[in-house]
Amino acid sequence: DTAVSQTPKYLVTQMGNDKSIKCEQNLGHDTMYWYKQDSKKFLKIMFSYNNKELIINETVPNRFSPKSPDKAHLNLHINSLELGDSAVYFCASTLGLDSGEQYFGPGTRLTVT
Amino acid sequence: QKEVEQNSGPLSVPEGAIASLNCTYSDRGSQSFFWYRQYSGKSPELIMFIYSNGDKEDGRFTAQLNKASQYVSLLIRDSQPSDSATYLCAVGGYQKVTFGIGTKLQVIP
Repeated sequence: DTAVSQTPKYLVTQMGNDKSIKCEQNLGHDTMYWYKQDSKKFLKIMFSYNNKELIINETVPNRFSPKSPDKAHLNLHINSLELGDSAVYFCASTLGLDSGEQYFGPGTRLTVT
Repeated sequence: QKEVEQNSGPLSVPEGAIASLNCTYSDRGSQSFFWYRQYSGKSPELIMFIYSNGDKEDGRFTAQLNKASQYVSLLIRDSQPSDSATYLCAVGGYQKVTFGIGTKLQVIP
């Protein structure tokens, strides 16, 4: 059983397109995150949600819009994709806001051409 | 000043040796500290966490924390080629965890 799953695993698209990445966790966790890992491998938090409520929005362009339909799902929609959006996007979950023990999904490698 | 600093490496050690990975952090109020391992092309995986000053051992891994010096380390004893990966130091803050850039470890057979 996959604890944190993401789809798709790979995404290749052209500049200007709109795309979505989906994430689901079956751990019963309250808190979910989106991270971006760039070509230099730096893992940077983008958003966090706790029980469907947005908690953290880390100076991410408003072309990125997260959505949490329930606490087991956190999706990421990206409008007007740019070359600089190419990266690996990881979803993660934790038991709660104050827990640093994060469980990561397999990642979505986004390539914008 | 970066919030969590690590030497990106690579750190090369021979098989069977002790690998020592280091991390410093800037927020003196941080209370929780984590080490994640990330194999190439894979997602980060939690391997150790430590909350109190001192050492914490789990198998071949020992995490060390010195809050006065704002310093966290991870020791890997009897290093194996399968330990070759990037090790990410992470520091827990208010409602989030901040990651360092990671140290790439290469264990040479």
